[in-house]
This record gives sequence, structure tokens and C-alpha cells, in this order.
Amino acid sequence: GESVGLHLPTLSVQEGDNSIINCAYSNSASDYFIWYKQESGKGPQFIIDIRSNMDKRQGQRVTVLLNKTVKHLSLQIAATQPGDSAVYFCAESFGGGADGLTFGKGTHLIIQP
Amino acid sequence: DSGVTQTPKHLITATGQRVTLRCSPRSGDLSVYWYQQSLDQGLQFLIHYYNGEERAKGNILERFSAQQFPDLHSELNLSSLELGDSALYFCASSVAAGGSYEQYFGPGTRLTVT
Repeated sequence: GESVGLHLPTLSVQEGDNSIINCAYSNSASDYFIWYKQESGKGPQFIIDIRSNMDKRQGQRVTVLLNKTVKHLSLQIAATQPGDSAVYFCAESFGGGADGLTFGKGTHLIIQP
Repeated sequence: DSGVTQTPKHLITATGQRVTLRCSPRSGDLSVYWYQQSLDQGLQFLIHYYNGEERAKGNILERFSAQQFPDLHSELNLSSLELGDSALYFCASSVAAGGSYEQYFGPGTRLTVT
């Protein structure tokens, strides 16, 4: 029979390599985007955000790229470490509204030693 | 630690019952958002309160309700519980009412309905 539940895409990378996690967002009116990291048994943890008037933003070891033309967001993690193993979610919102964030399905990042 | 607290951490109850989940936002944050995370639906926005007033509703069932008190803590009430309500419930807080500010998530309440 058909299985139920979210089948998260999985990205497996070697420790020390760079990781790129991709996300397609849904609403062309969204103007604010966030990446969250969720470890097992914990709440989503803010990583980095970007507003629609930018196409790139850098943080510590992380970079977010935004391509509004194709509604695509990516998160680059440099020199991945074992502590980076988690599920990563992109989220979008329309800043002019009071609605909550709309989350993507998530990507499970696995760091191989 | 995000500064957002949620109680209880775990809750096990039977179908048909009613439970209340509690959230305290970060100091200074006026907005509280509630989200449900289930295996089949992912993370979904339920409801948003700002400074005591309801600002937006998402995919919240009529059996569910929430409020935000003068001290800014919030409660999510779930009634006539069904097996499908089993999920993780998160609250998040933000400094403002609009959507362009970081939302900080609490550790969640795991609800199991048996």
C-alpha cells in the first residue's frame, strides 16, 4: 500500500565539505524568507533570513541565495561539521500581513565522518 | 535557548478530552504564533496573536482556540481531541506584528492522543 508521512529529501555530505540545500517557495508575493534548523526533539532554530530586495546574504559559515525569478532559495553551509546534522526548513512570509510562516517540507542533512 | 518557553513538554491524553498548552514569549516580544508539526502535514501555522489580539488564522480547526493574556503569555486550547491531533505543537514569538521579523521557536509540546 501507499506509505504515509513526509518523505524528506536527504543530503549526505562529508565532514568538511560544503553543503547546498535548495528550496522552492510557493508565493510570488512573499517578501521575507528564513532558514531554520531543527534537531531531533527540539524546536526550529533560526539560522539566517533574507528580504526580497536582496539576492544574497551571508552569515557565519552560511549563505542564503534568493532567486525571485524562479522562486528559489538556497542555503549554503561552508565546511560542514557533525553538529550541522539536522533537518533544514525554508520558510516564507508576506511581510505586509500578519500570517505566520509557510514552511517547506524540509531536507535532512547528514554529515558523514 | 531561544528564550521562548512552553509547558508541558509532553502530554498524553485520551480521545474526546481537552488540553491546554502554554507559551511564554521572549521578553519584549508582543507576537505569539502557534504551529503544529505532524508527520504527514509538516509544520503548519495555526494562529497569531499580537499584544492580546488575534491577528491571523491559519489551518486551525474549530475545536482549537487560543488566547493571549495581558502578561503576553498565550494558551492553545485543544478540545474533543482525536487521534489525528497527535503532533508537536510549537509557539514562536516575534517583536512585531508583521511577517518580516524573526520568529523564535520554543521547544514544543508533544501531544499524544490515545
